[in-house]
Amino acid sequence: NAGVMQNPRHLVRRRGQEARLRCSPMKGHSHVYWYRQLPEEGLKFMVYLQKENIIDESGMPKERFSAEFPKEGPSILRIQQVVRGDSAAYFCASSPDSTGGSYNSPLHFGNGTRLTVT
Amino acid sequence: AQSVTQPDIHITVSEGASLELRCNYSYGATPYLFWYVQSPGQGLQLLLKYFSGDTLVQGIKGFEAEFKRSQSSFNLRKPSVHWSDAAEYFCAVGPWAGFQKLVFGTGTRLLVSP
Repeated sequence: NAGVMQNPRHLVRRRGQEARLRCSPMKGHSHVYWYRQLPEEGLKFMVYLQKENIIDESGMPKERFSAEFPKEGPSILRIQQVVRGDSAAYFCASSPDSTGGSYNSPLHFGNGTRLTVT
Repeated sequence: AQSVTQPDIHITVSEGASLELRCNYSYGATPYLFWYVQSPGQGLQLLLKYFSGDTLVQGIKGFEAEFKRSQSSFNLRKPSVHWSDAAEYFCAVGPWAGFQKLVFGTGTRLLVSP
């Protein structure tokens, strides 16, 4: 059973370009989370999605960032007009469901996409 | 406000020596506590978790953690460190119910010397 797959592993963009990060959750998982890890910091929650629904995006910057999890295909985190401050590691995690909370539905993390903005 | 503090940015331990990584948390509701490990260039792997019951929890790779409510702490320990344990360790706190909006500490980087 493959784990959470993120691609690309490394992404380099010039300032002003768009970055698209992809995440395929584990098989059977319908809940996807995106976290961002800035240099020398811990992970910070960005957004929580279920299929075709954004459940909580309270950690997403209000501008330039968007996320989706379509009925078919991977979840996409899109960053428009990237700036140097967007350079970070972006991690996707998935869980089978949210019933019972964190205890019964532990998160499985991907290996991350490391975005560098030049 | 919800927060997790890992006061040690780096720790160096000799191979075979014991290890304790500190974690203090502030959480308004009943917390669910985690320790994750991140090897270079990799994602996070769950070491152990705690919600209730025995305050000493066992995890993978020989790690354990002790929950102390009076000190709001959840320190990670290992009796004998192996060179392969060199990594970054993150403590996190999350809600028991609902979805997993975890709050992470800034991490402790463990170096293992020969």
